[in-house]
Amino acid sequence: NAGVTQTPKFQVLKTGQSMTLQCAQDMNHEYMSWYRQDPGMGLRLIHYSVGAGITDQGEVPNGYNVSRSTTEDFPLRLLSAAPSQTSVYFCASGFEGNTEAFFGQGTRLTVV
Amino acid sequence: EDQVTQSPEALRLQEGESSSLNCSYTVSGLRGLFWYRQDPGKGPEFLFTLYSAGEEKEKERLKATLTKKESFLHITAPKPEDSATYLCAVFAGGTSYGKLTFGQGTILTVHP
Repeated sequence: NAGVTQTPKFQVLKTGQSMTLQCAQDMNHEYMSWYRQDPGMGLRLIHYSVGAGITDQGEVPNGYNVSRSTTEDFPLRLLSAAPSQTSVYFCASGFEGNTEAFFGQGTRLTVV
Repeated sequence: EDQVTQSPEALRLQEGESSSLNCSYTVSGLRGLFWYRQDPGKGPEFLFTLYSAGEEKEKERLKATLTKKESFLHITAPKPEDSATYLCAVFAGGTSYGKLTFGQGTILTVHP
């Protein structure tokens, strides 16, 4: 039981490049979500999913896409990276009601 | 719009000096309030979930309480290893269903 696994841990992108941050959970959780964490801004919700095939936007969705084709995986796609997307990204998962959301270890992304 | 405000932003304590962290929230249809601990370079680690006003939960030196407008995280006789950022988040129903909204966190430093 690995919990929530995020890959990669670190990434440097050039402006305009695209990439996918991977998130996988092995706890059969319905809820999965992506956050970004910036100094002084706390954790801000990007996109979330309440089940396979269902996604919705959070507070800061622009520039990001998600899909949820399986219960286990919830990848986050950066369409055309911008320096403003330099941040630490966290994926989380939880049961119905998100009664105990588990977080991955984060991906530190730098866009130059 | 759901809002979560934590205070103070930073708190410095001497070992053994008890204190409290505050989390004020404005949500419609609170379904749960969460406390997390976050160490530098790590993802948030779940501490407690509180569901209704009057509820209390304890874990070692930490005790979380909930009213209709705020939650407190009481730290009794803290030790240096309690130093971390403490995050509060709410999970609401209605149009916010599925989302966690976080406060900006309180950075706790405990000096020996």
